[in-house]
Amino acid sequence: AQSVTQLDSHVSVSEGTPVLLRCNYSSSYSPSLFWYVQHPNKGLQLLLKYTSAATLVKGINGFEAEFKKSETSFHLTKPSAHMSDAAEYFCVVSFAGGTSYGKLTFGQGTILTVHP
Amino acid sequence: DTAVSQTPKYLVTQMGNDKSIKCEQNLGHDTMYWYKQDSKKFLKIMFSYNNKELIINETVPNRFSPKSPDKAHLNLHINSLELGDSAVYFCASSLRLAANNEQFFGPGTRLTVL
Repeated sequence: AQSVTQLDSHVSVSEGTPVLLRCNYSSSYSPSLFWYVQHPNKGLQLLLKYTSAATLVKGINGFEAEFKKSETSFHLTKPSAHMSDAAEYFCVVSFAGGTSYGKLTFGQGTILTVHP
Repeated sequence: DTAVSQTPKYLVTQMGNDKSIKCEQNLGHDTMYWYKQDSKKFLKIMFSYNNKELIINETVPNRFSPKSPDKAHLNLHINSLELGDSAVYFCASSLRLAANNEQFFGPGTRLTVL
């Protein structure tokens, strides 16, 4: 079975300071991992994805994430937060085997607040 | 042009009614999905279709019936609506049925059952 845990339900930072959103996963097969962002009353937009290539993945809007197999983690970071980054972020794992191939399993979400 | 579109955006209805939500993608993708986002923002897959064939049905009540008339459309019909069906429903599509394929999401349909 696969699962994903986002370790913080809320993260609050000041504009211009670093962002760290934590995610741990479990998967019986080689995982594909994604981070999606959801702005208020909007759909989900892909920030970045890991699919067994480089372990450090760069995404849109200055975000990046590092896949660490030994720690089963896929934390999302950004060096300097912007007000427009305020949103909810979802860590997602995709099943690469079994009968639910391609199924996305979502974490509980982390709400990022950015203060001026 | 919107890649994945859903109609309606908002749906308010009474318990016991039957309603449908439509989804269309113009990306030429083979695979489409329905997700439910509850009041705590938790997202869970309901169905996936690949080339009009049902692939995933996540133990959704049989009051929910997806229909895919062609690869570009995946509609969701809900019979005998219940209070617990109130949620935001998202349609998504991906190029193929593959674990590493990005899924593109529609804007969501907010269903309120009174």
